[in-house]
Amino acid sequence: GENVEQHPSTLSVQEGDSAVIKCTYSDSASNYFPWYKQELGKGPQLIIDIRSNVGEKKDQRIAVTLNKTAKHFSLHITETQPEDSAVYFCAASINSGGSNYKLTFGKGTLLTVNP
Amino acid sequence: DAGVIQSPRHEVTEMGQEVTLRCKPISGHNSLFWYRQTMMRGLELLIYFNNNVPIDDSGMPEDRFSAKMPNASFSTLKIQPSEPRDSAVYFCASSLLSGREAFFGQGTRLTVV
Repeated sequence: GENVEQHPSTLSVQEGDSAVIKCTYSDSASNYFPWYKQELGKGPQLIIDIRSNVGEKKDQRIAVTLNKTAKHFSLHITETQPEDSAVYFCAASINSGGSNYKLTFGKGTLLTVNP
Repeated sequence: DAGVIQSPRHEVTEMGQEVTLRCKPISGHNSLFWYRQTMMRGLELLIYFNNNVPIDDSGMPEDRFSAKMPNASFSTLKIQPSEPRDSAVYFCASSLLSGREAFFGQGTRLTVV
């Protein structure tokens, strides 16, 4: 089955700096890569996703990049703010346009943004 | 919509007791997922349903775990008998079959003593 590795497990940055979280996956058939943010006491929430036919996607201060050849993808957060502090999870799945799919998650990265 | 609703939010039970976790998915969603979250193993998919039918239960740890979805608006995850190693946060999530985003509930924190 799919295996997703995520690094680093913890990341501390100063407010305004950038943060980068990296993931690798094992199944070359995976084609859907979402990122989830989990705040304390809450469930994970989707913040951005990318499909395998796209190399990069951006939404305001967050961006994701995907390298299918190397089987890795990254989350970039620019101009970090204290409210970005949370646990971030990457995931991978095979999504065949409405068919069954299941997400395999990385172990998570605890991001702390220091004011 | 109120989102995915899970109950209870917290459950403390003694080893050997039966535990039932409940989930109400978002109305109109036809896929439902049960995840378990621990520090050691992260988020693990236990089982998922499409149109109330279990599709993949390969993540269910053992026969002590069972899940049902009697209708489109309700699912249960049962552990019988419970053991201390079952202590974790259990999340339910739902999505459209044709969609990508899975919406998570707030989770049930289970402690088995």
